Amino acid sequence: AQSVSQHNHHVILSEAASLELGCNYSYGGTVNLFWYVQYPGQHLQLLLKYFSGDPLVKGIKGFEAEFIKSKFSFNLRKPSVQWSDTAEYFCAVNAGDTGRRALTFGSGTRLQVQP
Amino acid sequence: SQTIHQWPATLVQPVGSPLSLECTVEGTSNPNLYWYRQAAGRGLQLLFYSVGIGQISSEVPQNLSASRPQDRQFILSSKKLLLSDSGFYLCAWSPTGKGYTFGSGTRLTVV
Repeated sequence: AQSVSQHNHHVILSEAASLELGCNYSYGGTVNLFWYVQYPGQHLQLLLKYFSGDPLVKGIKGFEAEFIKSKFSFNLRKPSVQWSDTAEYFCAVNAGDTGRRALTFGSGTRLQVQP
Repeated sequence: SQTIHQWPATLVQPVGSPLSLECTVEGTSNPNLYWYRQAAGRGLQLLFYSVGIGQISSEVPQNLSASRPQDRQFILSSKKLLLSDSGFYLCAWSPTGKGYTFGSGTRLTVV
């Protein structure tokens, strides 16, 4: 079975600082990778996803993530955060080569951006 | 277009009472359906998934059960709620496993 680790549980940054949130997964087969964001009081929203191809994927709101297969990682980055990026961020994977196709989520990272 | 409906939005139930949360999907057929729970301070945990009518897979042994009586209906139930069942319950669907749509969630408080 897959598992996902997000090592940063709570991150506090000032506006304009750069962001990198770590995500590591364990699964030996093909994976699909996702980052979701949950703003306070709102639903889960997809930030970006990786299925295949260019390992550097760009998502909404200036976020990007890089899939490094050798490190089993899919870290999320943003060069300059804004106060409106305050939210909880979840990394998720599913096994691309099984019929289960359920997402396995990390425990989440709470990002607090201070003005 | 496809939409997903989940209700109720909030629920306060006493310990030992039954539970029924419903999720329905519109605009698609034979979707994969999922129930997740987000406990306070924790991530999303997959509870059940279904690839078809009457087909339910349980991920975590617990006090809950799920049923899929119709193609686009997914129900989460309990006969007797425990305090530990409190949390935020999310229904989701996916046609292919490469895109997921989440419902608006139900915040359950067991008192």
